[in-house]
Amino acid sequence: QSALTQAASVSGSPGQSITISCTGTSSDVGSYNLVSWYQQHPGKAPKVMIFEVSKRPSGVSNRFSGSKSGNTASLTISGLQAEDEADYYCCSYAGSSTYVFGIGTKVTVL
Amino acid sequence: QLQLQESGPGLVKPSETLSLTCTVSGGSISSTSSYWGWIRQPPGKGLEWIANIYYSGTTYYNPSLESRVTVSVDTSKSQFSLKLSSVTAADTAVYYCASRQVIGYYFDYWGQGALVTV
Repeated sequence: QSALTQAASVSGSPGQSITISCTGTSSDVGSYNLVSWYQQHPGKAPKVMIFEVSKRPSGVSNRFSGSKSGNTASLTISGLQAEDEADYYCCSYAGSSTYVFGIGTKVTVL
Repeated sequence: QLQLQESGPGLVKPSETLSLTCTVSGGSISSTSSYWGWIRQPPGKGLEWIANIYYSGTTYYNPSLESRVTVSVDTSKSQFSLKLSSVTAADTAVYYCASRQVIGYYFDYWGQGALVTV
């Protein structure tokens, strides 16, 4: 069970859209529509932003959206804001009641 | 609103056993809608899922840690616990407890995290 692959960093200017990718295998991301995304600000606990690939929990801005194609899931942040600067982690169900997280992507708002 | 709080020693010696407890409030640990989980994050690194437990005591472990991990639940105290044996410096991390929705398979509520240094 290896960590899901994410780009180390992604940046964008305020108002722009950015996309973070999360690549797994046919045993995790590719097999289940059970990918979730978490936002983590420094020194804080993670916060779920997306679950089941593309669903948003109550209270999460609709600027956050998710999708999946094959073994790769993606998180798009539109209308980038300063408060979006944080680390983002994907997580996938990996079968047999196990989970695997991504290595994380640092989002910088220029 | 559900709240989770980790507690336990912040310093553990190499080869000893790390023990943490998570206290659940604002909701029932016996809820059939939730599993309870442990996730850790080494300093400056990413998240790693450790284990989940259901209120009935059924456990699910990360295969890479399974030989050293034990998770248990005490519904009378609204607590669940983590024990990690034979620790090394590589086990130094912030340990989070969290609730995981049965439907949706995501971690919705998290504790603030507890730093454990080996």
